[in-house]
Amino acid sequence: ETGVTQTPRHLVMGMTNKKSLKCEQHLGHNAMYWYKQSAKKPLELMFVYSLEERVENNSVPSRFSPECPNSSHLFLHLHTLQPEDSALYLCASGDRSYNSPLHFGNGTRLTVT
Amino acid sequence: DAKTTQPPSMDCAEGRAANLPCNHSTISGNEYVYWYRQIHSQGPQYIIHGLKNNETNEMASLIITEDRKSSTLILPHATLRDTAVYYCIVPIYNQGGKLIFGQGTELSVKP
Repeated sequence: ETGVTQTPRHLVMGMTNKKSLKCEQHLGHNAMYWYKQSAKKPLELMFVYSLEERVENNSVPSRFSPECPNSSHLFLHLHTLQPEDSALYLCASGDRSYNSPLHFGNGTRLTVT
Repeated sequence: DAKTTQPPSMDCAEGRAANLPCNHSTISGNEYVYWYRQIHSQGPQYIIHGLKNNETNEMASLIITEDRKSSTLILPHATLRDTAVYYCIVPIYNQGGKLIFGQGTELSVKP
């Protein structure tokens, strides 16, 4: 148990579907992150939220839309995805103080058909 | 931003110590070194971090050279469950402690 819960664990969706990934943390952290991990590649940082404000968007296509309604919850809304978007999507939370480790969830395995 | 360099893979016999090296020659004086590991199909797990002193916790020990240009993560008695990809990372503090992951070291613990 990492303290960061992601749902669903697995998701299969068609290219015309709309779905959302959910992340929840009750560690009292003030920052939340979305990472993408494609097969055989390092984790790629997608979005950073600090105090519920998006502070970073790493050139992610607009078909990925993050939402952070409060400090405990983070969503990634998906629409009109492509097969190459199939990957493991990982959420992390942390405290943006100087030396605080990030805590990761176990991810959502997304398959786009 | 301090970049880290790790060997792509290592093997270790079960029960022996696993020593995983990392080079971070451009690290600056106030930057920490963090270690995470990722077991197949799970999220990365925090292991340990340090600034300049050696650190030990229930999972591992971290040895940082005096010039801070390299470090070694030590798993004192490796088990099969320690088989994972190990990442050495220097967070980017001027961007809120952002973690940028490299390829890491794939450690295989063999019976």
